[in-house]
Amino acid sequence: DTEVTQTPKHLVMGMTNKKSLKCEQHMGHRAMYWYKQKAKKPPELMFVYSYEKLSINESVPSRFSPECPNSSLLNLHLHALQPEDSALYLCASSRDGLSLSDTQYFGPGTRLTVL
Amino acid sequence: AQKVTQAQTEISVVEKEDVTLDCVYETRDTTYYLFWYKQPPSGELVFLIRRNSFDEQNEISGRYSWNFQKSTSSFNFTITASQVVDSAVYFCALSESSLKNTGNQFYFGTGTSLTVIP
Repeated sequence: DTEVTQTPKHLVMGMTNKKSLKCEQHMGHRAMYWYKQKAKKPPELMFVYSYEKLSINESVPSRFSPECPNSSLLNLHLHALQPEDSALYLCASSRDGLSLSDTQYFGPGTRLTVL
Repeated sequence: AQKVTQAQTEISVVEKEDVTLDCVYETRDTTYYLFWYKQPPSGELVFLIRRNSFDEQNEISGRYSWNFQKSTSSFNFTITASQVVDSAVYFCALSESSLKNTGNQFYFGTGTSLTVIP
């Protein structure tokens, strides 16, 4: 059973909407990640938070805004998205994120469709 | 250049056959880590194994086994007596030295889609 949960499972939004994706982990990990995955492609890293601070931003457009309220929670705020942003958004956590060598444990993902 | 190459895009096998998924990586670091993840149709990536560059012992876990060969920069994954539930996309991944602090050093391969036919 996964110990990383993500809500919602599915989300459909218009290009003018504002929505948020949520992720929670219960493993005491101090690093959390957002990935974007298009169909038939590997996941692409978007953001890494380590000890509640943003440590990696892979040049993600500002219409994606991450937030880490505490070490167990990770949000991704979405605003003015484009249809090409439709994808599976995966959250992951790892022990501390000081390096990317720690094992990352993934949640089930949110399947986002932008109309 | 691709850091992690999974040359097999799609593989189909009949149930109970053995299947090997290939993974070739490229790095100049002496310390690195290799991973395999399974992604069933539900979407979640399931962690299978993590191996560091100093441990070349092969590993077996039930029907799964991994063959790590530094000489050929390969970390192949074999499923013995495949089952329908093994149908998924399998990703090999590489993480480079932790001494770097600039950006992302975690690389997924492009994945191999395995279909096990009953």
